Amino acid sequence: EAQVTQNPRYLITVTGKKLTVTCSQNMNHEYMSWYRQDPGLGLRQIYYSMNVEVTDKGDVPEGYKVSRKEKRNFPLILESPSPNQTSLYFCASSRKGESEAFFGQGTRLTVV
Amino acid sequence: QKEVEQNSGPLSVPEGAIASLNCTYSDRGSQSFFWYRQYSGKSPELIMSIYSNGDKEDGRFTAQLNKASQYVSLLIRDSQPSDSATYLCAVRGTGGFKTIFGAGTRLFVKA
Repeated sequence: EAQVTQNPRYLITVTGKKLTVTCSQNMNHEYMSWYRQDPGLGLRQIYYSMNVEVTDKGDVPEGYKVSRKEKRNFPLILESPSPNQTSLYFCASSRKGESEAFFGQGTRLTVV
Repeated sequence: QKEVEQNSGPLSVPEGAIASLNCTYSDRGSQSFFWYRQYSGKSPELIMSIYSNGDKEDGRFTAQLNKASQYVSLLIRDSQPSDSATYLCAVRGTGGFKTIFGAGTRLFVKA
């Protein structure tokens, strides 16, 4: 089954404690991206990757890091989380040039 | 700042009616336009993509694009209660990798 898998689905953490949200897709897609979704603000792109070792900033990259060492994986790293990063996070993937048709289930992150 | 604007709603229509959802965008260089549906607590699902001016139909859904007016819309014919969701408009500019989403319009279809 074609899918994008995020882990964990829910996470509560404390300010400053490094965390990683994993994202994996099984469709051999070149393009992957991370979004955060906040009430009233919609989906905002954090980072995207056009292929292995190729990443670029979206609209809200501050406080986040990503890596793309393998085609299937695109982890989101928060080196020092802060409460304003409390949000719902989605990973997405698609073939190069196509719209993001496949989204992960979402990760609800709370930073206290 | 490149923006995508949508009326937040809620838009309420009776079952069987046509629901009309609208979206405007600020970047004249935008090339690709998408509509997503998102049920509460779920991931967005891609409904329609449109790339050139005019109408594109897929089942009960019709996307309309007018680049001169920087306007894209989604019509849902014969609306069903199961169409009740938030509809997100998304736009990609030249270069084609950075996607900007609107905040979404909540649609409520009354049985």
